[in-house]
Amino acid sequence: GAVVSQHPSRVICKSGTSVKIECRSLDFQATTMFWYRQFPKKSLMLMATSNEGSKATYEQGVEKDKFLINHASLTLSTLTVTSAHPEDSSFYICSARDRGLAGGEQFFGPGTRLTVL
Amino acid sequence: DAKTTQPTSMDCAEGRAANLPCNHSTISGNEYVYWYRQIHSQGPQYIIHGLKNNETNEMASLIITEDRKSSTLILPHATLRDTAVYYCIVRGAYSGGSNYKLTFGKGTLLTVNP
Repeated sequence: GAVVSQHPSRVICKSGTSVKIECRSLDFQATTMFWYRQFPKKSLMLMATSNEGSKATYEQGVEKDKFLINHASLTLSTLTVTSAHPEDSSFYICSARDRGLAGGEQFFGPGTRLTVL
Repeated sequence: DAKTTQPTSMDCAEGRAANLPCNHSTISGNEYVYWYRQIHSQGPQYIIHGLKNNETNEMASLIITEDRKSSTLILPHATLRDTAVYYCIVRGAYSGGSNYKLTFGKGTLLTVNP
């Protein structure tokens, strides 16, 4: 149980284009999902918290108009990187909190490697 | 959430127990200790968490000192596949809002050698 998937696993795009990344909880409902970014040899940095049916909460320094988050259902959240530039190249990871677990454990997706040329 | 301190790296022989320490001297009474690990180029994997009692599951054991200022994650029989960065994270109990956030530090790179 507690499986989180991400799609795509890897994407290469041209500068100026937009890229959408999907995060799905496969066998549980997730009222809250989180989006992280990880640069090479660095730790995960939380970008935003996504709550089903409401607006995402962004961390300080993260541009909400550039990183659009939609959490339309209890099993799906999407992150759209708009007008991507080479400095947006990174490893994007989502996690989901199982609403059925009181402890609040987060389960992570396998990550999406974004390369912007 | 309280800050944690972990060694940058550790080595362990395959088949031996790996003991990963974590200091969290500023932990408060309602904060939990969580452990995750990240194998290269993958998402983090939940390992175990605890409040004050020692915990054990199929992956590992978590030993928390009586004063809760430090803890040790124990992998009883390390394998090559346990080579990963291990993160010790302290987080408060959920009370609404953003309390489920996890703040990742630099973690400990555990290398299991054959």
